[in-house]
Amino acid sequence: DGGITQSPKYLFRKEGQNVTLSCEQNLNHDAMYWYRQDPGQGLRLIYYSQIVNDFQKGDIAEGYSVSREKKESFPLTVTSAQKNPTAFYLCASSSRSPGTFTSTDTQYFGPGTRLTVL
Amino acid sequence: AQSVTQLGSHVSVSEGALVLLRCNYSSSVPPYLFWYVQYPNQGLQLLLKYTTGATLVKGINGFEAEFKKSETSFHLTKPSAHMSDAAEYFCAVSLGGAAGNKLTFGGGTRVLVKP
Repeated sequence: DGGITQSPKYLFRKEGQNVTLSCEQNLNHDAMYWYRQDPGQGLRLIYYSQIVNDFQKGDIAEGYSVSREKKESFPLTVTSAQKNPTAFYLCASSSRSPGTFTSTDTQYFGPGTRLTVL
Repeated sequence: AQSVTQLGSHVSVSEGALVLLRCNYSSSVPPYLFWYVQYPNQGLQLLLKYTTGATLVKGINGFEAEFKKSETSFHLTKPSAHMSDAAEYFCAVSLGGAAGNKLTFGGGTRVLVKP
C-alpha cells in the first residue's frame, strides 16, 4: 500500500535532548512537509522540501532542523533549542506538476508522532 | 500573506441534523481551498478541495462546500450528521503558483454529534 509512515507514534524525551522524528513516503512525491499541531492552534508549518537536497523554513522553524537526502525520507530533528517541544507532529507529502515548480496537488498526511518532553 | 478563520472552535449537532462549519479566508490572489478531517490521534484526511471551475464541491462522506468569492468563504456542510462525523475539521488555503502548495490552516472546529 502506498502512503506515509511516521515513527514512532509516541515519543518521550528528557528536556535538553535532541530527538529525531521519522517520515517516509512511498508515493513518489517530490514535496514533503512538517507541521506542528497544538490544541486550538491548527497546524503550523515547520519546514518543507520541494526537491531532494533542498528545503526551506516554514513559519516556526526555530529549534528544528531537517534533511532531505532521499526523495522518500524527510526526518525532523527537534533540538534542545526548541522552547516548547511537546506537541503532535505531522508529516505530509504532495506531488508536483512535471517540469514546473508549482503544484495545486493535495497534501497527504501521515498518522503523526506525539512528542512529550519530560 | 493568506489567512484562514474558522468560526467556532466547537460545534454540537444532533444525529440527523445539518452540519455547517464556517470558514473565511483572506488572500491576495485566487486561492485554492481545502477541508480536512482529523480523528483523534490520527493524521489529516482530505474531505474536498476547490481549485478552479465549479464553485460547489462535493467530497467524501456526504460533505460538500461552496466557494463564494464575494464573501471570501468556503463553508462545509452535510445535510444529515452521523455519529461517525464526530471529529475535528480544518479549513486550509494555498496560493498555488510560485508559492507551491504550502497550506495555511484555520484553528479547527471540533464536531460533537449527539444521539
